[in-house]
Amino acid sequence: NAGVTQTPKFQVLKTGQSMTLQCAQDMNHNSMYWYRQDPGMGLRLIYYSASEGTTDKGEVPNGYNVSRLNKREFSLRLESAAPSQTSVYFCASSEQGENSPLHFGNGTRLTVT
Amino acid sequence: AQSVTQLDSQVPVFEEAPVELRCNYSSSVSVYLFWYVQYPNQGLQLLLKYLSGSTLVKGINGFEAEFNKSQTSFHLRKPSVHISDTAEYFCAVTRNSGYALNFGKGTSLLVTP
Repeated sequence: NAGVTQTPKFQVLKTGQSMTLQCAQDMNHNSMYWYRQDPGMGLRLIYYSASEGTTDKGEVPNGYNVSRLNKREFSLRLESAAPSQTSVYFCASSEQGENSPLHFGNGTRLTVT
Repeated sequence: AQSVTQLDSQVPVFEEAPVELRCNYSSSVSVYLFWYVQYPNQGLQLLLKYLSGSTLVKGINGFEAEFNKSQTSFHLRKPSVHISDTAEYFCAVTRNSGYALNFGKGTSLLVTP
């Protein structure tokens, strides 16, 4: 049982380049999330999808777009990468509901030069 | 809106000693509370959660936490730590939106022989 799978694991981009981070879960969860983790900042929510067909902004959505492709997949796109987007990105999923714990992927470490 | 404060950014402790990692939250409504652990180069894993009922919650790896509504705290404790408990620990609370978690900035637990 793979759980939450993120690709790629590492990526280096130049300022202005674009890329898409992929996330897939095989637990039949309704809700999916993208967080970024920066030293001393904890995890901050970028976007989430409460259910298939819906997406909502989190705390730090600027510079990002998301697509809930189907129930399994939730991608995060950087249209024009900036050095401030250097971070570790985590995808997570949960059963629907505010008391459901999150299941995390292993992260994508992104460096923008 | 809910917010989470982890009072210690780093906690060094000797092996087999007890440890307490502190977490306070602010909210005007009932909340659900969680502790997650992150081992190096991995995603976050759920340690324990408080949804309702008994205020003392037991989790995996011998950890427990006590919900104190009057002090708005949810401190994590372990009576005797192991080297393998060295990790980053995050306290989290449900957000107003109901679907995503608001995380604290994390506490780095370092266990030494």
